[in-house]
Amino acid sequence: QSVLTQPPSVSAAPGQKVTISCSGSSSNIGNNYVSWYQQLPGTAPKLLIYDNNKRPSGIPDRFSGSKSGTSATLGITGLQTGDEADYYCATWDSSLSAGVFGGGTKLTVL
Amino acid sequence: EVQLVQSGAEVKKPGESLKISCKGSGYSFTSFWIGWVRQMPGKGLEWMGIIYPGDSDTRYSPSFQGQVSISADKSINTAYLQWGSLKASDTAMYYCVRPIGITGSGWFDPWGQGTLVTVSS
Repeated sequence: QSVLTQPPSVSAAPGQKVTISCSGSSSNIGNNYVSWYQQLPGTAPKLLIYDNNKRPSGIPDRFSGSKSGTSATLGITGLQTGDEADYYCATWDSSLSAGVFGGGTKLTVL
Repeated sequence: EVQLVQSGAEVKKPGESLKISCKGSGYSFTSFWIGWVRQMPGKGLEWMGIIYPGDSDTRYSPSFQGQVSISADKSINTAYLQWGSLKASDTAMYYCVRPIGITGSGWFDPWGQGTLVTVSS
């Protein structure tokens, strides 16, 4: 059981928008920054969002992040078939003194 | 370009020992933490632990404390993940990552390409 809770799967049509939630507690999301990672099939994860809502260079502005209280959200607009991947949230857990990941969400672009 | 390059796939028997590696390049190896993430077959990502090569300060997830050992050789910009006695349940892909931030608690960028460890009799 992951410390951070994500929906196992989400789906939407090409061109549409989807959001992926990540729920935690005051010891992790509530008091630390959240990052998001995209893992395309058969590849290593890649950083998508850091510090809750910042995008590294090269990540299109179709991807966005937000945080409120003990939850965070990844948003993807203008869905493309190439966005089909597993998405993970991550943060630091001050009680565990360790990093923690969400269980991952599989995005299907129908 | 900042890169983490990992050693190749391994096939081992239960009870054997193993040490896999991760070589950093394109940045000051002793100034950043480096960590390890496990992904079991068909499963999600798990944070294992991190090391600061500058002074070998090491932190482990409670789930992995005592199960693995993380080390680094700053003379060759390489971090290691080691097992003393492998179990079938250690079969997984292992990624090395560079956590950003002075405490190692920040985001992970970049990621290594992964090392597949298979433990089977």
